[in-house]
Amino acid sequence: GDSVTQMEGPVTLSEEAFLTINCTYTATGYPSLFWYVQYPGEGLQLLLKATKADDKGSNKGFEATYRKETTSFHLEKGSVQVSDSAVYFCALSDQGTGGGNKLTFGTGTQLKVEL
Amino acid sequence: DTGVSQDPRHKITKRGQNVTFRCDPISEHNRLYWYRQTLGQGPEFLTYFQNEAQLEKSRLLSDRFSAERPKGSFSTLEIQRTEQGDSAMYLCASSAFTGTFQETQYFGPGTRLLVL
Repeated sequence: GDSVTQMEGPVTLSEEAFLTINCTYTATGYPSLFWYVQYPGEGLQLLLKATKADDKGSNKGFEATYRKETTSFHLEKGSVQVSDSAVYFCALSDQGTGGGNKLTFGTGTQLKVEL
Repeated sequence: DTGVSQDPRHKITKRGQNVTFRCDPISEHNRLYWYRQTLGQGPEFLTYFQNEAQLEKSRLLSDRFSAERPKGSFSTLEIQRTEQGDSAMYLCASSAFTGTFQETQYFGPGTRLLVL
């Protein structure tokens, strides 16, 4: 079945440091790929997405490129801020038996950014 | 547009009791999904509706779980005879499916269930 593997956290960085959170996936079809972010006490928010190979998703300074050859969708940001502290989830959607595009999530990576 | 809302936000119950959660999707979103998230894990798919039809159920959804979406608007998730293992965050998401893979799910804040 489909699966998503993320690097384990917590990841602790100083403000303005470069961020990479690794994500690889296994899927039988041609999934869409997503990064969701969960701030403390809040629900999941879509951060960015890519729907086909070589697409780059970007938002709020975060980027991720859909790499079919390495089945990866690594999240990057050039300069993190304290406000980026949250849990980041990589996910894929693939068509299920009922036609829906259910999401399969990784276990999440907690990011802590310190001054 | 106020986003996806869920009610209640928190629920504490005793083992063996029944609980019901409500999800109000974004207006005019035709698809609605339920997920469960346990501590330290990513959300796991439970079931989904397209309009009022429940089209897929995960094997995680035991016989004690039932979900409905009457009239294709809000949805309810009921757990009967709750067990301590049901303690989790229950998340609802909705999307506007237009027939392509360009579907994005928007999540509500979740209902956190604690079974004592």
